[in-house]
Amino acid sequence: TQLLEQSPQFLSIQEGENLTVYCNSSSVFSSLQWYRQEPGEGPVLLVTVVTGGEVKKLKRLTFQFGDARKDSSLHITAAQPGDTGLYLCALNRDNYGQNFVFGPGTRLSVLP
Amino acid sequence: DTEVTQTPKHLVMGMTNKKSLKCEQHMGHRAMYWYKQKAKKPPELMFVYSYEKLSINESVPSRFSPECPNSSLLNLHLHALQPEDSALYLCASSQEDRVSSTDTQYFGPGTRLTVL
Repeated sequence: TQLLEQSPQFLSIQEGENLTVYCNSSSVFSSLQWYRQEPGEGPVLLVTVVTGGEVKKLKRLTFQFGDARKDSSLHITAAQPGDTGLYLCALNRDNYGQNFVFGPGTRLSVLP
Repeated sequence: DTEVTQTPKHLVMGMTNKKSLKCEQHMGHRAMYWYKQKAKKPPELMFVYSYEKLSINESVPSRFSPECPNSSLLNLHLHALQPEDSALYLCASSQEDRVSSTDTQYFGPGTRLTVL
């Protein structure tokens, strides 16, 4: 059983469309991170969400942490080809430790 | 400076070779990590060093041997690897915030390893 699940697994959309991807867990977690990874590169941190119900905006990206801290979503407005990549959520399995685990990822392709 | 560097960028080795991967950061971070990432899969944690001591070893085979010579450097020594070990090997570092669980990891670009 995966600690983290992400959906959809793949998403292909046209430039200018909006989209939402999801990250879910059966467990409550204290914080969650979203990363974007491009082919052949390491993941780049986008945001860390900590408080239940928290909403964070990063330009056209909006991140939400569920009230129960068991799920999170990433919404992209007016997607651009530069948004193409693998979107990963990750959490720390140990409170105050460094035991990180990643979800399987959503592979996004934005077509011009 | 929020950069984690990794060398080499690409490595091809035979099953009898011995090679090393290197990782370096100058952000003053006290936790460093090795991850393995197969194609179309998420990164999988292999090792964690905390304050230059190995704190997590995720049941990694002994043909992978990590080393942390100082707080800025992390090595991964490779010996007698198998073709299935071919993958992208990622290094990361974090400050290691022992007060909260919101530690932020910064990743290097990875070393693409091919074992023949």
